[in-house]
Amino acid sequence: RKEVEQDPGPFNVPEGATVAFNCTYSNSASQSFFWYRQDCRKEPKLLMSVYSSGNEDGRFTAQLNRASQYISLLIRDSKLSDSATYLCVVRLNTGFQKLVFGTGTRLLVSP
Amino acid sequence: EAGVTQSPTHLIKTRGQQATLRCSPISGHTSVYWYQQALGLGLQFLLWYDEGEERNRGNFPPRFSGRQFPNYSSELNVNALELEDSALYLCASSTWGSGSQETQYFGPGTRLLVL
Repeated sequence: RKEVEQDPGPFNVPEGATVAFNCTYSNSASQSFFWYRQDCRKEPKLLMSVYSSGNEDGRFTAQLNRASQYISLLIRDSKLSDSATYLCVVRLNTGFQKLVFGTGTRLLVSP
Repeated sequence: EAGVTQSPTHLIKTRGQQATLRCSPISGHTSVYWYQQALGLGLQFLLWYDEGEERNRGNFPPRFSGRQFPNYSSELNVNALELEDSALYLCASSTWGSGSQETQYFGPGTRLLVL
């Protein structure tokens, strides 16, 4: 079983739509959680951290459910520029900052 | 503030050759991480350096090695290149132990093609 699992997609949505991505992690020792965005043939860039109480950054909302070992990302009012692959990332509570990356969910926003 | 930089952007080698990839972290970051991202696959952790020492390595053969210099920049060396080493190699940097929400910031990567 993969340490971090995501639906690979692609999710095809029209502009203005709301879309949600889910992610599950298997290691209960996971300490910190992040969403990264990766554009085609580019490096991953931090989108947002995920806090236990849930957090929002503009059109983006992240939720964490530690009991179910589940993380989500909600994007409201999708823009064409949101088209990218979204990576769910978990940091384990080990002696070093090991980040474990999901394989990503691809989002395509169309006009 | 300058981000993580990597060189070269592209590298073409043939089987059996050696490749050297370079990375400069964000100023103030002491940790450097190397990842391999093969086409269509997720990021695979390769190596972690901090304060000039190799702290951990992923599940890769010994022909993947590297080092970190006193200025915290780092080099990744891949010996005896194989076709399946063709991938995007990403370097990331962070400060270590500064808090649970501290994360890693990536450079633009080096795209290695082995022919």
